[in-house]
Amino acid sequence: AQSVTQLGSHVSVSEGALVLLRCNYSSSVPPYLFWYVQYPNQGLQLLLKYTSAATLVKGINGFEAEFKKSETSFHLTKPSAHMSDAAEYFCAVSENTNAGKSTFGDGTTLTVKP
Amino acid sequence: NAGVMQNPRHLVRRRGQEARLRCSPMKGHSHVYWYRQLPEEGLKFMVYLQKENIIDESGMPKERFSAEFPKEGPSILRIQQVVRGDSAAYFCASSPPGQYYEQYFGPGTRLTVT
Repeated sequence: AQSVTQLGSHVSVSEGALVLLRCNYSSSVPPYLFWYVQYPNQGLQLLLKYTSAATLVKGINGFEAEFKKSETSFHLTKPSAHMSDAAEYFCAVSENTNAGKSTFGDGTTLTVKP
Repeated sequence: NAGVMQNPRHLVRRRGQEARLRCSPMKGHSHVYWYRQLPEEGLKFMVYLQKENIIDESGMPKERFSAEFPKEGPSILRIQQVVRGDSAAYFCASSPPGQYYEQYFGPGTRLTVT
């Protein structure tokens, strides 16, 4: 079975500050891991994915995430927040033996203060 | 290349009516997934289909819900005799052959049951 826990349903940062969104996963087999961003009343956009290659994954809009097997974590970071980063972020896991079925965390709402 | 298309974007139904949600995958994609997002929650997997086949429906409620992906035309998620608890955003995603984990999401259909 697979599961995802996103620590902190709301995160607030100042513009220009570091963004850190936490994600821990549970998977019985090597996982594929994803971060998505969702703007109000829109669908999900893939930010980045980990599929067993490099553990440090770079995505769009300056975001990156590091896969740490020992900590079962896949935290999302961005060095300097921009106002346009305000959105909801979802971490998801998919077992590479369980075709198609992604399990999502409950999401973290990021607020960026001017 | 057009993205995943869903229609309608908003759907209002009275209790007891039927709701039909449509999803057209990206060109060349042969896998379709349906997810449901309740307010303030993450996405929950419902069903995974390939053309004319249901691969995994472990997330589908046992009654009133059905899904299909015919040889021609869009995938349909059908909800019979809707109840207020069915109010949610329903997202469709598609992926190319052999890359089931690379899911591209549509904008969603927001179903409101009055």
